[in-house]
Amino acid sequence: QQQVKQSPQSLIVQKGGISIINCAYENTAFDYFPWYQQFPGKGPALLIAIRPDVSEKKEGRFTISFNKSAKQFSLHIMDSQPGDSATYFCAASFFTGGGNKLTFGTGTQLKVEL
Amino acid sequence: DAGITQSPRHKVTETGTPVTLRCHQTENHRYMYWYRQDPGHGLRLIHYSYGVKDTDKGEVSDGYSVSRSKTEDFLLTLESATSSQTSVYFCAISGGLARANTGELFFGEGSRLTVL
Repeated sequence: QQQVKQSPQSLIVQKGGISIINCAYENTAFDYFPWYQQFPGKGPALLIAIRPDVSEKKEGRFTISFNKSAKQFSLHIMDSQPGDSATYFCAASFFTGGGNKLTFGTGTQLKVEL
Repeated sequence: DAGITQSPRHKVTETGTPVTLRCHQTENHRYMYWYRQDPGHGLRLIHYSYGVKDTDKGEVSDGYSVSRSKTEDFLLTLESATSSQTSVYFCAISGGLARANTGELFFGEGSRLTVL
């Protein structure tokens, strides 16, 4: 059961362009939606995150857009750079006594070409 | 860096042998997690711990066991490894008491396991 669906699986963007990755979730109990960035041979690292009471969050060139009624959220990377080439994972969680059990999407491999 | 060390980083073993992966943290965080990463599946939670000797199952726990006898160490054991357990395993920790109720996890660099 895939509770967080992510698309596209891979994405090629020209330098300076906008990269857009989309995710949809099913469980309305989720209350925290982070995006992780992963470079080859490394562990995922938190990039940006949003809570459902906010429709948009921007940090530098990275923006999360959140649509609670549609149960969808997306990552926009403005002015994409070759250094942004990585795998991106959306995720969702809700806190329980057992901690933050993140449910991840399947990942998007982004390549930014010169 | 979040002070997480995984060992071994690479291991090749044969079907039916036991394997133990170790996660060591220096951050004194309460929560620790083991995920596996496979193409087309993203990261999936195997087991997690919310304190010393307090552990519970994740979504793909079959064939795995864990132990946490000290705050800093979380062990993942494959009692009898199978080829389907060939994967990259990541340990993660929650980020401090102030952020214990967020999704902010810090990940180790992974342990690549190949079961022949």
